[in-house]
This record gives sequence, C-alpha cells and structure tokens, in this order.
Amino acid sequence: AQTVTQSQPEMSVQEAETVTLSCTYDTSESNYYLFWYKQPPSRQMILVIRQEAYKQQNATENRFSVNFQKAAKSFSLKISDSQLGDTAMYFCAFMKTNAGNMLTFGGGTRLMVKP
Amino acid sequence: NAGVTQTPKFQVLKTGQSMTLQCAQDMNHEYMSWYRQDPGMGLRLIHYSVGAGITDQGEVPNGYNVSRSTTEDFPLRLLSAAPSQTSVYFCASRSQGFYNSPLHFGNGTRLTVT
Repeated sequence: AQTVTQSQPEMSVQEAETVTLSCTYDTSESNYYLFWYKQPPSRQMILVIRQEAYKQQNATENRFSVNFQKAAKSFSLKISDSQLGDTAMYFCAFMKTNAGNMLTFGGGTRLMVKP
Repeated sequence: NAGVTQTPKFQVLKTGQSMTLQCAQDMNHEYMSWYRQDPGMGLRLIHYSVGAGITDQGEVPNGYNVSRSTTEDFPLRLLSAAPSQTSVYFCASRSQGFYNSPLHFGNGTRLTVT
C-alpha cells in the first residue's frame, strides 16, 4: 500500500514571496503519477500540477513548480510570487499507473498568504 | 458545462437514519469514485467504479454501499448513519481514454450525523 505524508500542517507566507510545501511518499511501484491539489474555502478540489514518475524533468505551471526527487520519494511544491488567492489547503496525491481513479492523499497543508 | 454534480450540498442525519448521496457526471467518464475528507487525513477512497455495472471497495468501505447502473450516475448509500460518518464527501470522475487525465471532482457534500 502507498502512503503520502505532508509534514507541514500549516504554513504562512507574505504576498509576493516564495513558499515550498513538502510531500514524501512511500511506494514499491516504479511507474506512477503525483499530483498537487488546491482546496480553497469554497471546498472545490482544483488540480494545480502533476508529474509522471518516468519523467526526470520537473513539472511547471506558471507560478507553480515541483521538485521531484524519485530516489528520495519526495515531491515538493514551490509557489512563486504568492498571491492572496493562493490561500487554501494543498493536498499531495499519489496514483499508480493504470489505477483508474484511485488516489492516495496526504493529510494536507493549510497555506495562508498574508498581505 | 456541468461536470460532476453532487447533491445535496449539506445534510444532517440522526444516528440510524439512511440516505443516498447523489453524484452525476455528463462527461461520459468511465471511472467514478467516492472519497471522504476528514481533518488531518486528507481524502480517503470509499468505493470506486470502472464502468457501468462494476464497483469495488476502496480504503474505507464499511457502512457504505454503491451501485453503477448507468455511466452517468454513481450514488453512495449510507444504510444506518453513525457519528463516525460525519465528514465531507466528494465524488470524482475520470476518463479511461487518457491514462494520466486528471480527476474531476464535485463540490462536495457536508454530512453531519448527530
């Protein structure tokens, strides 16, 4: 079974600064996918970024980028130029290849962006 | 563009009552699933389906039933509600055609069992 750990229950950052959210996972699989989801107060689950384990290049989406370290089983999310709208819960998630829709989620990190 | 629709948004039940959480998607997705979200535990998979007529258990299936009679609908039934089932419930769907396509989530149902 897979496990996903987010060791930072809460974090805060000043507007326009950079923040990094940590995620580690445990698996015996060699092919898999990793995701970061954002959940604002509206409760909606929004996909922020995803990474295929077979790709060495780190994924980027505008101000969001990841540091994927496969050997260390680490998948951190960096948010650059933080904005007030980035305030949300962030969840790291793992999915085996061909696992349908079975994701394993971490416990989440609550991020507060301060003006 | 409805996507994944969950009803109701909020529900309060008394211990022992039964109810059905509704989930419908209009994207012709083969895969559908139910998750529950509890503080500090992220989302945990309750049941999932890979197509009409096929369902299977996830990580926390006890106390819940599902069925998938059509591609569009995937209702979650609580047979005899317990306070431990107080949670936020999310339905999600995904296309089978692209194996790394993202999950589409509904907006959740907040259930309180007293």
